[in-house]
Amino acid sequence: GEDVEQSLFLSVREGDSSVINCTYTDSSSTYLYWYKQEPGAGLQLLTYIFSNMDMKQDQRLTVLLNKKDKHLSLRIADTQTGDSAIYFCAEGNGRQLTFGSGTQLTVLP
Amino acid sequence: SAVISQKPSRDICQRGTSLTIQCQVDSQVTMMFWYRQQPGQSLTLIATANQGSEATYESGFVIDKFPISRPNLTFSTLTVSNLSPEDSSIYLCSVQKAGTGGYGYTFGSGTRLTVV
Repeated sequence: GEDVEQSLFLSVREGDSSVINCTYTDSSSTYLYWYKQEPGAGLQLLTYIFSNMDMKQDQRLTVLLNKKDKHLSLRIADTQTGDSAIYFCAEGNGRQLTFGSGTQLTVLP
Repeated sequence: SAVISQKPSRDICQRGTSLTIQCQVDSQVTMMFWYRQQPGQSLTLIATANQGSEATYESGFVIDKFPISRPNLTFSTLTVSNLSPEDSSIYLCSVQKAGTGGYGYTFGSGTRLTVV
């Protein structure tokens, strides 16, 4: 079945850039997503990218997609303490979403 | 995007009892899903709630343990039956609104269940 993998932890200094990486296996994925989960909260859709795109930028967020290598990344510029959360990568095939394990981002002052 | 009201937000239940979680959406949606997030884990799809017919369950999940109702296009319930401590998780409702394509997935705030 489909598999989505992420590293579990990332720590950065406030003001630096954060890069969270994700790999997936389903070549039929149509959309790839980044969700944010803050403690005790549900999932917030941060951004998504269609599978025929290479890059998408939305304010401080930049998503890069390498479809050949099935690699997705999320770059957060000027990371703030409010960005501390778990970030989930997910891939969608038009029927359901498959989630990665989540990356716990810790922003240090 | 659709706005989801999920209730209760949290509950503590005795083992052997059941908990029913409600998911109310502010507009009609084509697809409704139920996910489980075990402590420190990612989200696992339990089932797709189908309006007017039986839910479609993923491997490892059965109707007797996780009965689901979907009487209309804006409402669904998930019941977690015969609770055991292993059922302690966050349960999330998710919807895909018609016409939004592959990006229109929205999640409820989740129900944090603790079984004692």
